[in-house]
Amino acid sequence: KAGVTQTPRYLIKTRGQQVTLSCSPISGHRSVSWYQQTPGQGLQFLFEYFSETQRNKGNFPGRFSGRQFSNSRSEMNVSTLELGDSALYLCASSLGPQGSGYEQYFGPGTRLTVT
Amino acid sequence: QKEVEQNSGPLSVPEGAIASLNCTYSDRGSQSFFWYRQYSGKSPELIMFIYSNGDKEDGRFTAQLNKASQYVSLLIRDSQPSDSATYLCAVKSNFGNEKLTFGTGTRLTIIP
Repeated sequence: KAGVTQTPRYLIKTRGQQVTLSCSPISGHRSVSWYQQTPGQGLQFLFEYFSETQRNKGNFPGRFSGRQFSNSRSEMNVSTLELGDSALYLCASSLGPQGSGYEQYFGPGTRLTVT
Repeated sequence: QKEVEQNSGPLSVPEGAIASLNCTYSDRGSQSFFWYRQYSGKSPELIMFIYSNGDKEDGRFTAQLNKASQYVSLLIRDSQPSDSATYLCAVKSNFGNEKLTFGTGTRLTIIP
């Protein structure tokens, strides 16, 4: 069974630009969660989608948004990029939503560098 | 105060010894507790979860939970060089806010 895939794996953008990251969950998984990982803040929850609906959202500005498609694939968009958005963005998929007891499987991440 | 706190390390432990990783959390409503292992340049992988007070053992790993003290720990017995990684503690409240909150991780190095 294929794991969680994320594209692209690496991305370099300049301040003010926008970026879209993609996540394909494990087949059959309907929940996708997004996280930002930085050395100083660790792993921080961005949002979770389940059956195309956003269930939970972390404490990030509105520049961070996401969506989920009917095939459970998810995209995350960051607009007006700032230097502080440089991070590893991880998505995790699970059979059910967070809180339902299902294990989350992480993808390899997208390394975003903002210059 | 951070919601989930871990000593960042690095924690150095001789091969064959017991590695003890600690985590404290601030939300008394937290119900589920997870330990993830993350190798350098890789994504996190779940190694243990615990819901009830006490100990839970899985092979060389033991998770310990004390809700009264808001403390969860991970013990690794017979430490191996392959255990060298960053260990992330994650906590989830099942009351109205089900997001998983992670600590910043403890970097563990097993010395051969």
